[in-house]
Amino acid sequence: QLQLQESGPGLVRPSETLSLTCTVSGGSISSTSHYWGWIRQPPGKGLEWIGSIYYGGSTHYNPSLKSRVTISVDTSKNQFSLKLSSVTAADTAVHYCARYNIWGSFDYWGQGILVTVSS
Amino acid sequence: DIQMTQSPSSVSASVGDRVTITCRASQGIDRWLAWYQQKPGKAPKLLIYDASTLQSGVPSRFSGSGSGTDFTLTISSLQPEDFATYYCQQANSFLIFTFGPGTKVDIK
Repeated sequence: QLQLQESGPGLVRPSETLSLTCTVSGGSISSTSHYWGWIRQPPGKGLEWIGSIYYGGSTHYNPSLKSRVTISVDTSKNQFSLKLSSVTAADTAVHYCARYNIWGSFDYWGQGILVTVSS
Repeated sequence: DIQMTQSPSSVSASVGDRVTITCRASQGIDRWLAWYQQKPGKAPKLLIYDASTLQSGVPSRFSGSGSGTDFTLTISSLQPEDFATYYCQQANSFLIFTFGPGTKVDIK
């Protein structure tokens, strides 16, 4: 059974960089049939797609966040990572990593990690 | 960018009721639409993809329909475990994804 697990700091200072890692187990991140993505959800609000990566390294980002986002992959560790720079309180959210399939739907999700931006 | 809207934003229903949620895309997305269920404190769960294909393990009381710009999610007979928030998501370009704002289904 595929599992995804987010990890990283739960508290980030304003103007600094949010860094999270998603570890994939029970399957290979080098699957040719899947992409991997990050989605966030501010407290009490809806879902926002942040960006996605293919195991070969090609990336796609939400245009509204593109200038601040970097997603990378480490196939040797079966992990992919998110960096979001120059964070503000508006970036406080539960961050999920997920896998999506050839139909563009997210079929496996991590449990989510709350990242709070505060001084 | 493709924008997604959902209606209603919330609905109160009783066990056994038929519930229908509508999702509309700002431009045609063929059948590139998925539906998710999210319960408080949990990650979203994929219910339907390709507008009408039921994800493995999802009860058959859930169904989806539509193409182009207008889509619906129907729960034929609401069960206690179905009280949750439901989101639609478009994947028309396969490169840029957008979620709808969500519809909360609560107990009448």
